[in-house]
Amino acid sequence: AQSVTQLGSHVSVSEGALVLLRCNYSSSVPPYLFWYVQYPNQGLQLLLKYTSAATLVKGINGFEAEFKKSETSFHLTKPSAHMSDAAEYFCAVSGNTGNQFYFGTGTSLTVIP
Amino acid sequence: EAGVAQSPRYKIIEKRQSVAFWCNPISGHATLYWYQQILGQGPKLLIQFQNNGVVDDSQLPKDRFSAERLKGVDSTLKIQPAKLEDSAVYLCASSLVGSIEAFFGQGTRLTVV
Repeated sequence: AQSVTQLGSHVSVSEGALVLLRCNYSSSVPPYLFWYVQYPNQGLQLLLKYTSAATLVKGINGFEAEFKKSETSFHLTKPSAHMSDAAEYFCAVSGNTGNQFYFGTGTSLTVIP
Repeated sequence: EAGVAQSPRYKIIEKRQSVAFWCNPISGHATLYWYQQILGQGPKLLIQFQNNGVVDDSQLPKDRFSAERLKGVDSTLKIQPAKLEDSAVYLCASSLVGSIEAFFGQGTRLTVV
């Protein structure tokens, strides 16, 4: 079985500050891990994915995430927040190709000018 | 490349009425998912198709929800009769067979009053 836990339903950062969104996963098989972003009244857009290649994954819009098996974590970071980063972020896990995604409850990111 | 198309974008109905949502996946994507996203929660899988066959519908409330994917392309999700707790965004996603990446539509926001 797979699941993810996102710590912190709301995160606020100042513009230009580091963004850190936390995600811990549980999986009985080697996982595929994802971060999606959702802007208001929009669908989910893939930011990045981990597929058992490099543990540090770079995505779009300057985001990256590091897979740490020992910590069962896949935290999302961005060195410098931009106002346009304000959105809802979801971490998700999948156990295999063609399998369903299990999503976390989401973290709402607010960027303060 | 066209993305996943969903309609309508918004729907307001009274409880006990019926409603249907439509999804057109990305061309060539054999796998299609319907997710339910209740406000403040992450998306939850309702049903997964591969071509026109059901792969997983274990979380579909079959007493009121139904879905079909005739000809293995477009899909419809129906709720009859609707309850207040069905108020949510219904997301459709599609992927290639064997791919770990799914592409999401913009969703249909259902409000049951």
